[in-house]
Amino acid sequence: GEDVEQSLFLSVREGDSSVINCTYTDSSSTYLYWYKQEPGAGLQLLTYIFSNMDMKQDQRLTVLLNKKDKHLSLRIADTQTGDSAIYFCAENRDDKIIFGKGTRLHILP
Amino acid sequence: DAGITQSPRHKVTETGTPVTLRCHQTENHRYMYWYRQDPGHGLRLIHYSYGVKDTDKGEVSDGYSVSRSKTEDFLLTLESATSSQTSVYFCAISENPGQTYEQYFGPGTRLTVT
Repeated sequence: GEDVEQSLFLSVREGDSSVINCTYTDSSSTYLYWYKQEPGAGLQLLTYIFSNMDMKQDQRLTVLLNKKDKHLSLRIADTQTGDSAIYFCAENRDDKIIFGKGTRLHILP
Repeated sequence: DAGITQSPRHKVTETGTPVTLRCHQTENHRYMYWYRQDPGHGLRLIHYSYGVKDTDKGEVSDGYSVSRSKTEDFLLTLESATSSQTSVYFCAISENPGQTYEQYFGPGTRLTVT
C-alpha cells in the first residue's frame, strides 16, 4: 500500500525549534494527525488538523498543511527535554488511521 | 486517560504455541484496533472491529485472527506463534471515525516468540 513518509531521526538543541516533516498519500483524507510516543508507552494524540485548514497553532505547537504537495509539518517551539519522543504523522483513510514510521526526536543539551 | 487495558503486558512463548492477547475498554467506543509496532516499520494495522462481531483485516493480518463478542473486549489470537510475530502489540479505540478520528491507545503488550 501507499505509505505515509517521514524522516526517522531528528536531533535538536534544547531551546531551539524542532520541525518534523511528513508527506501523506490520500488527498481525500479529512484529518491529519501528529501522535507522540514516549518510551515504554502507547501513542497519544498531540494535535490534528482538518484538511480545509492550512495552519493550526496550539501553544508551542504549530502544524502546517500544504494540500497541493500533501505535506504536513509539526513545529515545536522552545524544544525541551520532555519533548524527547517518537512523533508519528498519520492520515485517516476510510475508517482507519494510517501511520508513518515515526520520527525519533533527540534533544541535545 | 481513556480506559484501555491490555493483558498480558509481557509474554514469552515458544514457536508453534497459540497466544491470545486481550484488549479491554471502559469507554463504550464502537471501533477497536490491533496494531503491531516494529523497528523500521512504525505502526501497522493487523485487524480492526467496527462493532460487536464485525471485524475486518488490516495490512498485516496473515497469521492473526480476532474476535469481538462484547463491545468492551477485542481479542487478538496467534493460532501458531512464529518468531516473526515477536513485536509490541497495541490496541486502540475510537468513538466515531466520522468525527475527528482520534484513536486512544493502550499501554502495549510485548510479545517474544522463541
